Amino acid sequence: GALVYQYPRRTICKSGTSMRMECQAVGFQATSVAWYRQSPQKTFELIALSTVNSAIKYEQNFTQEKFPISHPNLSFSSMTVLNAYLEDRGLYLCGAREGTGNSDYTFGSGTRLLVI
Amino acid sequence: QQQVRQSPQSLTVWEGETAILNCSYENSAFDYFPWYQQFPGEGPALLIAIRSVSDKKEDGGFTIFFNKREKNLSLHIKDSQPGDSATYFCAATNSGTYQRFGTGTKLQVVP
Repeated sequence: GALVYQYPRRTICKSGTSMRMECQAVGFQATSVAWYRQSPQKTFELIALSTVNSAIKYEQNFTQEKFPISHPNLSFSSMTVLNAYLEDRGLYLCGAREGTGNSDYTFGSGTRLLVI
Repeated sequence: QQQVRQSPQSLTVWEGETAILNCSYENSAFDYFPWYQQFPGEGPALLIAIRSVSDKKEDGGFTIFFNKREKNLSLHIKDSQPGDSATYFCAATNSGTYQRFGTGTKLQVVP
């Protein structure tokens, strides 16, 4: 079946430092990868949508300068949180799917980021 | 801007009752609506989904009722069990592009 692994599961970083998180698709080709952030007591905010062979589209309030994303092939994507501060803490979720039609996203378990 | 909203924010039902979770959206271009179940410490897992051409979808004890004209839908969880206690997210997607999540409903099923 289709699975998405995210690592690390949780991480702590000092305020002002950066943290890279990874997303691995297994059993299918991750044509599209969407990165979300779930802040405490909030829903999932879409950060950006990455489609292979297309430019990465960032949502309002999220920028490439702050959250650079790499999507080099159909099984892997990574995102870095640069210069992390307290407001960046939360659960970062990767969702991937195959194709460009209405196929379902498969989500990983997330990377929980704590900033101290 | 929150494009997908859910109500209530939290819901408590007795074991065996039907839990009803509501979802509404703003963008009429949304055409696919998955519902996710999330347990603490885990990512969301797909539960059931409906396309905008349908008005009802059933799968096991889960039923989605969809009203395209009113731009709302609801998830009915029949014969709720304590193991169904989780946060439920409605999501909406536009012809295979981005997917937006709702605000979530925290369901508690009391034995």
